[in-house]
Amino acid sequence: SQQGEEDPQALSIQEGENATMNCSYKTSINNLQWYRQNSGRGLVHLILIRSNEREKHSGRLRVTLDTSKKSSSLLITASRAADTASYFCAGNSGNTPLVFGKGTRLSVIA
Amino acid sequence: EAGVVQSPRYKIIEKKQPVAFWCNPISGHNTLYWYRQNLGQGPELLIRYENEEAVDDSQLPKDRFSAERLKGVDSTLKIQPAELGDSAVYLCASSVQYNEQFFGPGTRLTVL
Repeated sequence: SQQGEEDPQALSIQEGENATMNCSYKTSINNLQWYRQNSGRGLVHLILIRSNEREKHSGRLRVTLDTSKKSSSLLITASRAADTASYFCAGNSGNTPLVFGKGTRLSVIA
Repeated sequence: EAGVVQSPRYKIIEKKQPVAFWCNPISGHNTLYWYRQNLGQGPELLIRYENEEAVDDSQLPKDRFSAERLKGVDSTLKIQPAELGDSAVYLCASSVQYNEQFFGPGTRLTVL
């Protein structure tokens, strides 16, 4: 199984700033997925990047993937207070389950 | 489209009591997952179903936990008897094969 390990564990920024979170994993993957979890809620899928992709955009989200370094980053541009949440990554290797790390807790201060 | 439905949302029980959680996945999603999430941690997979078959239950404490997905749709997760350490949020998710997962709101269990 592919455990994603997020870094930093916690991040606090001002509204309007960009937030960057990193993810590392250990073995080969077919894709890597990022999820968001608001307090007291379930996880919400944000974006999936395949192993043959290097960068992907979705609205204010930008994800990069470096398979040689087994790492990914999630950039949230022009952050908003509503972006305050925990963010998790997990790698997928076909039919193996996703394994989530502890996540990055993002606080966006208005 | 309705999302993943879970009930109850909250449950408080005393230790040694039984408890059951119910999940209704998104229509057409053949893969269903049960996770446990402790405070400050990521979700930990307990069991994964493909249709009616449990294909990964290696993390399920089988002495007290059981799960079923009889018709390949709804699923129930049971704990009997519950212990103090079982207090956590139990999340259900579903997906089409192994693509992105859709999570329910979870059941917050408190064992006293």
